[in-house]
Amino acid sequence: NAGVTQTPKFQVLKTGQSMTLQCAQDMNHEYMSWYRQDPGMGLRLIHYSVGAGITDQGEVPNGYNVSRSTTEDFPLRLLSAAPSQTSVYFCASSYSRSATNEKLFFGSGTQLSVL
Amino acid sequence: KQEVTQIPAALSVPEGENLVLNCSFTDSAIYNLQWFRQDPGKGLTSLLLIQSSQREQTSGRLNASLDKSSGRSTLYIAASQPGDSATYLCAVPNQAGTALIFGKGTTLSVSS
Repeated sequence: NAGVTQTPKFQVLKTGQSMTLQCAQDMNHEYMSWYRQDPGMGLRLIHYSVGAGITDQGEVPNGYNVSRSTTEDFPLRLLSAAPSQTSVYFCASSYSRSATNEKLFFGSGTQLSVL
Repeated sequence: KQEVTQIPAALSVPEGENLVLNCSFTDSAIYNLQWFRQDPGKGLTSLLLIQSSQREQTSGRLNASLDKSSGRSTLYIAASQPGDSATYLCAVPNQAGTALIFGKGTTLSVSS
């Protein structure tokens, strides 16, 4: 069991570039989510999914897109990178369709810098 | 809107000391509360999940309590070790059950 796998671990982008952060889990979890972690702001939810084909916005969705074509994968797309998107990004998943009932499992994170 | 606060932001203790980390939340209508550990440059690991019907959860040297009526939870670490040095975060579900709302964490440093 690999758990929640995120790639890449580090990425540097120029303003205006686009990229996709990958997240995959092998635990057959229904719920998947993306958080960003910033100093002084804590963890904030970007987007989440309660199953394949179902996604919704979190607290800070602007500038990001997601899709959930399979149970295992939940990629996060930055459409046109901005310096304000410099952050550490975490993917997290749990077994149930809700974030409330089960333990939440996190990936090891992607550190993104936008110049 | 639910808010989660953790005090203190940082704590330094000598090895062997028993310690308590605090977490408070503004809306007491929660299903559960989780405590997480985050090591530098790493993801979060769930330590304990306390359901609203429970008052305590224990795992090894860790004991977490939950008092919904007062909007407080504590994480008790017994006989602290240098390996316990990390940031500890608490989190509660939002009202819709779609995400966890995190505190900003307490960074613990245990010196040998």
